[in-house]
Amino acid sequence: SYVLTQPPSVSAAPGQSVTISCGGNHIGETSVHWYQQRPGQAPVLVLYDDIDRPSGIPERFSGSNPGSTATATLTISRVEAGDEAAYYCQVWDRTTDHPVFGGGTKLTVL
Amino acid sequence: EVHLVESGGSVAQPGGSQRLSCAGSGFMFDDYTIYWVRQAPGKGLEWVSFISWDGVTVSYADSVRGRFTISRDSSQNSVYLQMNSLTIEDTAFYYCTKGARRYDVVAGYFDYWGQGTLLTVSS
Repeated sequence: SYVLTQPPSVSAAPGQSVTISCGGNHIGETSVHWYQQRPGQAPVLVLYDDIDRPSGIPERFSGSNPGSTATATLTISRVEAGDEAAYYCQVWDRTTDHPVFGGGTKLTVL
Repeated sequence: EVHLVESGGSVAQPGGSQRLSCAGSGFMFDDYTIYWVRQAPGKGLEWVSFISWDGVTVSYADSVRGRFTISRDSSQNSVYLQMNSLTIEDTAFYYCTKGARRYDVVAGYFDYWGQGTLLTVSS
């Protein structure tokens, strides 16, 4: 089945930018979605269809999924303490017709 | 406001059964596919099952197929997950989440999540 690969952890100081990658075979050919999960809470959608933000998600969250690479990314600009969380990418595997999640990346705000 | 509320999590024995419920409100429940996603303690997210908006299409992860059964009751705005032959590996928080697109069977992504219910399988 389809596998999404994320780095286990990243870190950034407040005010800096951080990028979280999500790798997968031909990932540029599908839509990638991202979820934030703060400790002890349910996941929250922060990006969908590669680059779109749900209402209420700050512009500091942005995404890319260029077709030329095997990696999609979530970038958080001007990182804040409240951004400390695990971030998961997700795609729909059209081969098996079910959703697939990446392993998650824990963002630590220094 | 959209709400999804899970219930039914508790302690179960290996080989036992448990039924989880997911009650939805604040949206046209009958128009959306509902998914179960679980998370073992300290681990990542794992999709478990989904049932289409019309109840016609159901799907299961390989890890639960043949043991879990998903269903929905429009009159109760609820989705259920009947779990049989439980193993220790089924220990997890179970979240229900709704597909983002109306009438989609393969919705792509999930716009609202419940707070989860904890199932612990232990002897």
